Formats: sequence, C-alpha cells, structure tokens
Amino acid sequence: QKEVEQNSGPLSVPEGAIASLNCTYSDRGSQSFFWYRQYSGKSPELIMFIYSNGDKEDGRFTAQLNKASQYVSLLIRDSQPSDSATYLCATYMDSNYQLIWGAGTKLIIKP
Amino acid sequence: DVKVTQSSRYLVKRTGEKVFLECVQDMDHENMFWYRQDPGLGLRLIYFSYDVKMKEKGDIPEGYSVSREKKERFSLILESASTNQTSMYLCASSLLDLAGSNEQFFGPGTRLTVL
Repeated sequence: QKEVEQNSGPLSVPEGAIASLNCTYSDRGSQSFFWYRQYSGKSPELIMFIYSNGDKEDGRFTAQLNKASQYVSLLIRDSQPSDSATYLCATYMDSNYQLIWGAGTKLIIKP
Repeated sequence: DVKVTQSSRYLVKRTGEKVFLECVQDMDHENMFWYRQDPGLGLRLIYFSYDVKMKEKGDIPEGYSVSREKKERFSLILESASTNQTSMYLCASSLLDLAGSNEQFFGPGTRLTVL
C-alpha cells in the first residue's frame, strides 16, 4: 500500500515566522512531489512541484526533497495570515496515472 | 488558463435518487479524475479515466459509476444516492506527461447533500 503521511495539525505559526510542513512517503518508486494549498471550502491549487533531490525555491516558498530519507518538506518564509490553509502533499509514480495524496496539514498563521 | 468546471456548486438530493455530476475541462487533458473529500480523510479517488471511454476504479468505487464519452467531459453517477455519499466531490484533470510533471487541475467542487 503506497502511503503519504502528513501531520494533520493544526500547526500554529506567528506572522512573519517560517512555517515548516513535512511529508513522508512509503514508496521509493515515487518520482515527483507536489504541494497543494487548499483554503476552506475551496479546491486544491498547486503551489510547488519538485522531482530532484535538494531545494527548489519560488518566492516565499521552498520545497525540499530527500529521496534517501523519503521525505519532502515545504517551508514558507515570512508567513502571512493569507497562508492559513490546509497543505496537501502528493506523489506521482510512473506505474499509473494517479497522484497519491496525504491527508493534509492545517496551517494557522497568527497575526 | 486551464479551466475545469463542474455542473453544480451545491446539490441536495434524496436517498435513492440517481445523481449526475458533470465535469468539463478545456485544456485537452488526457486524464480526468473524480475524488471525494471528507473532513479528516483527505482526498479519496473514486474513478479516473486516461482516455475516452476508458475508466479505472480508484480506492472507493462502490456505489459510483462514471462515463467518458468525449475527451473534455467526465461524468460521475450515483446510481442510488445514500446518506453516506454526502460529501464534497472534486473533479480534476491532468496531461499525460511522461516527464513526470503530472499536475492535477481541480474544478471548484460540488458539495452534495443526500437527505
């Protein structure tokens, strides 16, 4: 059973601080990794995609991938109240067309 | 801009009714997906389709069927709605990208209540 694990939270972070979200996956065949943000009552939207070991930065967001340890993380610098949402981690394997989803971490940024 | 649309944002049906949820995407994506999302359970895949007239069961197909007669349209059918099918239903689409970037684009969701 392929699994993606996330701490459900809520994770509470002061405004302006760094929010760190973590995700572990069970299958070493996972190739690509996605972070989606989902606001309450809305559908998920992609914020980061990574497939190589190391860091990938996009504005205030940094995704970190460590395939040897089978984890992927998302760092949000200078956290804003508008970052308050549930963050979903997903992985892709080339054996099928699906993404394997974690249950999400609820992030709360406190002003 | 990729657009995935769903036929209804909110739907209320009675137990035993046949329910149709429609999804349309305008980016010529090969893959389309139907998920349901419940608090604490994350996204659960019901069915997906990688081509016209092709369908594959996901993790929770029981009580559902799907239809894909045209590439842009993927329908989810609840043959006889039950109260435990009350949920948020999300449709998504993606390109068949062998390079590994298989971003899924989501529709706005349909919140279905079965009374």
